[in-house]
This record gives sequence, structure tokens and C-alpha cells, in this order.
Amino acid sequence: DAKTTQPTSMDCAEGRAANLPCNHSTISGNEYVYWYRQIHSQGPQYIIHGLKNNETNEMASLIITEDRKSSTLILPHATLRDTAVYYCVHNAGNNRKLIWGLGTSLAVNP
Amino acid sequence: KAGVTQTPRYLIKTRGQQVTLSCSPISGHRSVSWYQQTPGQGLQFLFEYFSETQRNKGNFPGRFSGRQFSNSRSEMNVSTLELGDSALYLCASSRDVETQYFGPGTRLLVL
Repeated sequence: DAKTTQPTSMDCAEGRAANLPCNHSTISGNEYVYWYRQIHSQGPQYIIHGLKNNETNEMASLIITEDRKSSTLILPHATLRDTAVYYCVHNAGNNRKLIWGLGTSLAVNP
Repeated sequence: KAGVTQTPRYLIKTRGQQVTLSCSPISGHRSVSWYQQTPGQGLQFLFEYFSETQRNKGNFPGRFSGRQFSNSRSEMNVSTLELGDSALYLCASSRDVETQYFGPGTRLLVL
């Protein structure tokens, strides 16, 4: 099964950039990397996704390495409301099934 | 556009009972996926339905089943409940399976 590896937890000061890494060494050439986050007791929220190129939207930026084996989600100016568990996922080959790890628990501190 | 809704939000059952959870996807979304989330295991994929057909299935016992209706609404059923079935059950809808939009979940407690 597709597997991603993320740090269990990270801290970030409010107003600073939060850089969340993810290793996805089993990813195939046509599989996108997706990032979601889950704020306590809510359903996960889609953030951003990418294939090869770096991507940016109103929430975050996604940097994907050239070999596509890892990526970094960047929250440019973290706020207290960004405290959540962040998941990096990709689908498991041709069966279109997303495999979720335990994610990174990000704490944004005042 | 209204988001994904799930009912009920909270449920308490006893061992041996059965339960049915409901999910209404975002209008226009034909794919509905179900997940079980527990503190130690994270999100675990149960199954995915697309146009009333089960398209993918996770590694859960046959006690867990689901269906999808012609209006894309979906239900999942768990029969003969066990204590270990206590979890947050999440439904996600999508146009394509990867960009998923999640509902708030149904928190099930089995006593």
C-alpha cells in the first residue's frame, strides 16, 4: 500500500512560516500528492494538491522535490487557527484508494 | 454550495446492536467514501461508492456494509456492533476520488 511518512508533531510561532515535510517514496509517476488538515473534532479539510510542479493557493504552498519522493507544505504566516493535524496522502496505485497515515500535529504558539 | 452532511452526529449503541449512518454529498458529486477514525489507527478507508456501485473496498469485516442511492446519498451499516467499533465515522464526497470534501462525521460509542 502507498505509504507516507510525516513527523508526529511540530511547533511553530504565530506569524512565522510553518514548513511541514512528507516523504512519499512509493509514489508513482501519475499520482498526485494531496494535503489535508483536520482541526479537532471536525472532518478533514482539503488544502492543496500537486503532481510535479510547485503549487500555491490562498491557504498554502506545496513544494515537491524533482524526484517526487518528498514534499513540503508551507503555511506562510501561521495563525492559531492553523493548529491541526496535517495529512499528506496519495492514492495507492491504480485502485484510486487514498491511504492515510497519522499525520503531523502542528501546534501554533502565540 | 452546501457541504457534506452526516446524520446523526452522535450515537450511542450497545454491543450486538446494528447501526445505520447517513451521508449526503455535495450536489453534483457522485463519489462517496467512508472512513473510520480512531485515535491509534488514524483514518482507515472503509469503502467508496460511485454511481450506486461499490468501486473500492478497505480491509474491514463483512459486518461493515454500505450502499449508495440514485441521488448519490449514501448509507453505511454496521451489524453486530463490537466495543472496538467505537470511532468517528467520516464520509467524503468528490467528483474524483482524490480531492475529497469531508463531512463533520458521526461519533459512535458502543457500550
